[in-house]
Amino acid sequence: DTEVTQTPKHLVMGMTNKKSLKCEQHMGHRAMYWYKQKAKKPPELMFVYSYEKLSINESVPSRFSPECPNSSLLNLHLHALQPEDSALYLCASRGTRAREQYFGPGTRLTVT
Amino acid sequence: GQQLNQSPQSMFIQEGEDVSMNCTSSSIFNTWLWYKQDPGEGPVLLIALYKAGELTSNGRLTAQFGITRKDSFLNISASIPSDVGIYFCAGQLGTSYGKLTFGQGTILTVHP
Repeated sequence: DTEVTQTPKHLVMGMTNKKSLKCEQHMGHRAMYWYKQKAKKPPELMFVYSYEKLSINESVPSRFSPECPNSSLLNLHLHALQPEDSALYLCASRGTRAREQYFGPGTRLTVT
Repeated sequence: GQQLNQSPQSMFIQEGEDVSMNCTSSSIFNTWLWYKQDPGEGPVLLIALYKAGELTSNGRLTAQFGITRKDSFLNISASIPSDVGIYFCAGQLGTSYGKLTFGQGTILTVHP
């Protein structure tokens, strides 16, 4: 099983709202990732968690706040977003010894 | 930073034709991954390559890890309409928590 799940599938939020994206995997993977993807462009890395610790932050604005409550869960908290933050947000995970990354289906975020 | 050149950017083919796309890098990688993405969905891993010169097949898909470690290609034989989508290559150096460098994608359209 190589499934990564993400909720919600779609999210519309105003610029003053606070919302959260959720990602879950039960493959025992210890590395988890958040990506942002614009239409017809490759995914852009935002954050990497390794063994529940934030290991990479690709200079992401503080209005995006990641959290890794345990080895299976990854959250992305959103606050005071801008319309240009509208995108597909992807979660991915990778096993300790394997080199493949598996992506979830994504959350389509629209900021109005 | 590292950049991947993926070509062609788009392809329009007839059902039944073979397809070839490739990625070249200015730097070496020790892993190449090929993904397919359907509209509104997350990328799905098609093939993973781990060693220079490696040739791997997955059904009608064949991919190779270039011997210089700076390139990879993906072939699709006897294309069918469901092959439509965006194909991304991704290289990984093996350090930095599995960080991937993506190509810009190849948009494939298959005419019945």
